Amino acid sequence: AQSVTQPDIHITVSEGASLELRCNYSYGATPYLFWYVQSPGQGLQLLLKYFSGDTLVQGIKGFEAEFKRSQSSFNLRKPSVHWSDAAEYFCAVGPALGTYKYIFGTGTRLKVLA
Amino acid sequence: KAGVTQTPRYLIKTRGQQVTLSCSPISGHRSVSWYQQTPGQGLQFLFEYFSETQRNKGNFPGRFSGRQFSNSRSEMNVSTLELGDSALYLCASSFEKGDMNTEAFFGQGTRLTVV
Repeated sequence: AQSVTQPDIHITVSEGASLELRCNYSYGATPYLFWYVQSPGQGLQLLLKYFSGDTLVQGIKGFEAEFKRSQSSFNLRKPSVHWSDAAEYFCAVGPALGTYKYIFGTGTRLKVLA
Repeated sequence: KAGVTQTPRYLIKTRGQQVTLSCSPISGHRSVSWYQQTPGQGLQFLFEYFSETQRNKGNFPGRFSGRQFSNSRSEMNVSTLELGDSALYLCASSFEKGDMNTEAFFGQGTRLTVV
């Protein structure tokens, strides 16, 4: 079955500390992988995406993610977290063509301590 | 370039009523998909339209329907509203470049409350 797992429901980090959010997926075909961020009451903003090529991808707001095929993982990282990064983060997988039916993880809520 | 626009942003409806939500995609995007977001079920795919045709449908009852117009704008309709339909409804649009998909861009959502 196709699925996305974000094992951490909540994560709390201090401002300036590094961050890693985990994402594991199960998908039959070669997936497209995404990280989205959602602030309270808002829609989803795309942070970064992986389609093919270099397995380390850079996104907006200083985020990066690494695709590891052998581990079926696509973890999100940021070297130094800012208070404004507090939000909910969603990992998603989608097919390479034909449909935009994404499968989302359950999300990780990030709290940043001043 | 304007983003995905969803109207209205907030709605309060009574059980048994019906509701129509609207989505205007990014200019040039012909693919529109809809998602329901609830605290219990998370983000779930409702359906997807491309060039006025429904291309894919999620596992929702027939009370949920949608359509797409020739200008790519899309509407979704929920009939006979139930309390459990209270959710944030998100619309996303995408640009299809040849045979390969690109990313989906989401709107701010419509918050539907059923009382």
